[in-house]
Amino acid sequence: QSVLTQPPSVSAAPGQKVTISCSGSSSNIGNNYVSWYQQLPGTAPKLLIYENNKRPSGIPDRFSGSKSGTSATLGITGLQTGDEADYYCGTWDSSLSAGRVFGGGTKLTVL
Amino acid sequence: EVQLVESGGGLVKPGGSLRLSCAASGFTFSSYSMNWVRQAPGKGLEWVSSISSSSSYIYYADSVKGRFTISRDNAKNSLYLQMNSLRAEDTAVYYCARLQYDFDYWGQGTLVTVSS
Repeated sequence: QSVLTQPPSVSAAPGQKVTISCSGSSSNIGNNYVSWYQQLPGTAPKLLIYENNKRPSGIPDRFSGSKSGTSATLGITGLQTGDEADYYCGTWDSSLSAGRVFGGGTKLTVL
Repeated sequence: EVQLVESGGGLVKPGGSLRLSCAASGFTFSSYSMNWVRQAPGKGLEWVSSISSSSSYIYYADSVKGRFTISRDNAKNSLYLQMNSLRAEDTAVYYCARLQYDFDYWGQGTLVTVSS
């Protein structure tokens, strides 16, 4: 059972938009920045979004992030087949020895 | 180019030990905190341990506390994870990850399988 809650799967057609939610609590999302990672099949996770809504160099602006209260959302527009991957949210947790916490992951299928 | 290359994974019996290494290049290793994150087969990501740039601050997930030890050698640009008293539930791909504003670079991972 992950500390952060994500939907197991989402799907959309190429060219469409999709959002992935990430729900937490005041000890994690509520008081810390949220990050998002993309994990293509058989590869290591890759940082997509940090500090709620910032994109590292090289990440297209089709990817966006937002946070409100104890929840965060990843948005992907102009979906491409190459976006099929698992997506994870992550943040720090301020509770005793919790450290870094991740969501359970969301499998994106581009139909 | 930033590169992180893990090694040392393999098959080990329950109760056994293993030492993972992560060789870093392309950046000033001694300036960054480093982390280990694992992923059990078909499962999500689990943070394992973190070490600050000078080894002054070290943190562990409750699931590995007392069994795993993180360390680093800045002269060798290397990060380590000593894993003792291994259990079946420690079976996973272990990634090392650099911490800047976030886990911005990850290695390709090394597979640890704990089985009799």
